[in-house]
Amino acid sequence: KQEVTQIPAALSVPEGENLVLNCSFTDSAIYNLQWFRQDPGKGLTSLLLIQSSQREQTSGRLNASLDKSSGRSTLYIAASQPGDSATYLCAVDLRRDDKIIFGKGTRLHILP
Amino acid sequence: DGGITQSPKYLFRKEGQNVTLSCEQNLNHDAMYWYRQDPGQGLRLIYYSQIVNDFQKGDIAEGYSVSREKKESFPLTVTSAQKNPTAFYLCASTPSGGNNYGYTFGSGTRLTVV
Repeated sequence: KQEVTQIPAALSVPEGENLVLNCSFTDSAIYNLQWFRQDPGKGLTSLLLIQSSQREQTSGRLNASLDKSSGRSTLYIAASQPGDSATYLCAVDLRRDDKIIFGKGTRLHILP
Repeated sequence: DGGITQSPKYLFRKEGQNVTLSCEQNLNHDAMYWYRQDPGQGLRLIYYSQIVNDFQKGDIAEGYSVSREKKESFPLTVTSAQKNPTAFYLCASTPSGGNNYGYTFGSGTRLTVV
């Protein structure tokens, strides 16, 4: 059974620092992996989608990498800002069952 | 702009009452999903539908029901059989299974039992 783990559960860093959020999954037979952002009381906003054949995707200050063989993905945030404070979730799309499996998220707090 | 609209944003349910949460999308997506989110438990799949007039149970379907009469609409009914319905409910869609467009989510409905 595919399990998705995000460590740490919470993270606080000073503004301006570069940071890395981690996502690991147990079954490497994934179709793609998607990173989301969730603000308190809001829905999920898609940040980046990495297909299984890709190694990384970039959008602005965000860079997501994927290593299927080791079952890991990272989300790199450059020059963090207070507006980056949110919960970040990763989700793995399995070709079978047409469902995605979510991690429990990392709650990020950027200190001004 | 295309997207997913969930309504209402807040919903209050009395004991023994059925309530229906609305989810509408204008993205022309085939597949739609309902998730429940509780603090510390992440997102759990309630029901999903790959095509009109067809749907499948997710991991926590007991106490819930859905219908998919139109491609753009996937309402969720929380029945009185759901003993602990207080949660944040999220609706999502994707073009179809096995695609590389990813998932789009609505803004959610917070349901509270009073």
